[in-house]
Order: sequence, then structure tokens, then C-alpha cells
Amino acid sequence: QKEVEQNSGPLSVPEGAIASLNCTYSDRGSQSFFWYRQYSGKSPELIMFIYSNGDKEDGRFTAQLNKASQYVSLLIRDSQPSDSATYLCAAYTGGGNKLTFGTGTQLKVEL
Amino acid sequence: DVKVTQSSRYLVKRTGEKVFLECVQDMDHENMFWYRQDPGLGLRLIYFSYDVKMKEKGDIPEGYSVSREKKERFSLILESASTNQTSMYLCASRREGGRFEQYFGPGTRLTVT
Repeated sequence: QKEVEQNSGPLSVPEGAIASLNCTYSDRGSQSFFWYRQYSGKSPELIMFIYSNGDKEDGRFTAQLNKASQYVSLLIRDSQPSDSATYLCAAYTGGGNKLTFGTGTQLKVEL
Repeated sequence: DVKVTQSSRYLVKRTGEKVFLECVQDMDHENMFWYRQDPGLGLRLIYFSYDVKMKEKGDIPEGYSVSREKKERFSLILESASTNQTSMYLCASRREGGRFEQYFGPGTRLTVT
């Protein structure tokens, strides 16, 4: 089992819809979680981080964390074509300093 | 804002050449990292450094070495470049401690011919 798992997609949503991206992790000790956006040919860009159970909102983005079920999600409201990218989930694992990345979910927002 | 810069965006080298990739961060971060990213394989950690002159092997260190002589600078060295090292190379930095966000540089697209 991979430490951080994501569905590779592509996830296609129409413009204006809510995109929901999911991530599961295997290490129950993980405390800090991150979402990165990566456009094709570019480097990952940090968009959200979450440490506590529940929701954290930042503009059109909402990160959700459920430690009991070991999943993290990212909701993008009013999706725009410019949101089309690969989204990487990351979590600290192994009880130490290791930040583990998922392989990413490709999101396509269609006109 | 945190800034991580890399010496080149694109680089073309010949097989057998020695290649230096440099990374500089301006936020006084203790930890620095080198990854490579290939389609379908995700981010793979090559080497990392917790402090000046300290280095640790990541998941795929073979064929690479690193140097960290100053806190803000972390170099990746390909001693003898090979075609299977053609990839996107990403540098990253963060504060020490298992809870802080990590920031990436713009990446270097290296092609070895």
C-alpha cells in the first residue's frame, strides 16, 4: 500500500462546477497535509495546507481532513479552465521529517 | 515570499559530461531537497540535506552526488551524465521539523543526448 494515494484521473468537470479531489494516507501518525497544483511543464505550487480535522477555506479552495478515515480532500468551487492542472497531495509520514507525495490527480475543467 | 531559484530552466548535455545543477533559497531554510519527476513515476527524492555539509540519500541516489557548502545553496551533480538521467529536476526547501510546508524551485529540464 502506498503511503499517500490519489486517483490519477483525469477528472473532468464543467466550468463553474465543484471539483472534488481525494487523497488517502496510510500512516495514522501523519499530522500535516498539503495540496500542490502543478501545471504541465512547471513545478508544484503550494495552494493549501491543513493540520486539524474539519474544513479549511481559502477563496475558491476548501481542504477537508478526516483523520479517523485517513483521507484529505480538496474542493474547488466555481471551477475555471485555468484550474486545469495536476494536483498533488502530500503528508508527513514515518513519524519524522519525510514529506511523502501522491502521484497526483489530473483535473480538466471543460468549457 | 519564499523564493527558490534554480540555475537553469533548460539544459542539454552530452552523455558522459559532468553536470552541475544549482539551487538557492532565500528564506534561511534548514532543509533542502532534490527530486526528479518523470511521467507516470511522480516525484522521486534523490538527495536531501538537513544542514550545511550534511546530506542524506533519498530513494534514487545512484549516479548523483550533492554538495551543500552554504545554508542557502544546494547543488546536484551528475558525475557522468547518461540518457536515463533525462528528466525534470526540482529543488525544494523548507524549515526543519515535520510539519512545515515545502517550496519548490521552477525546475530544470535536463536532456542528455
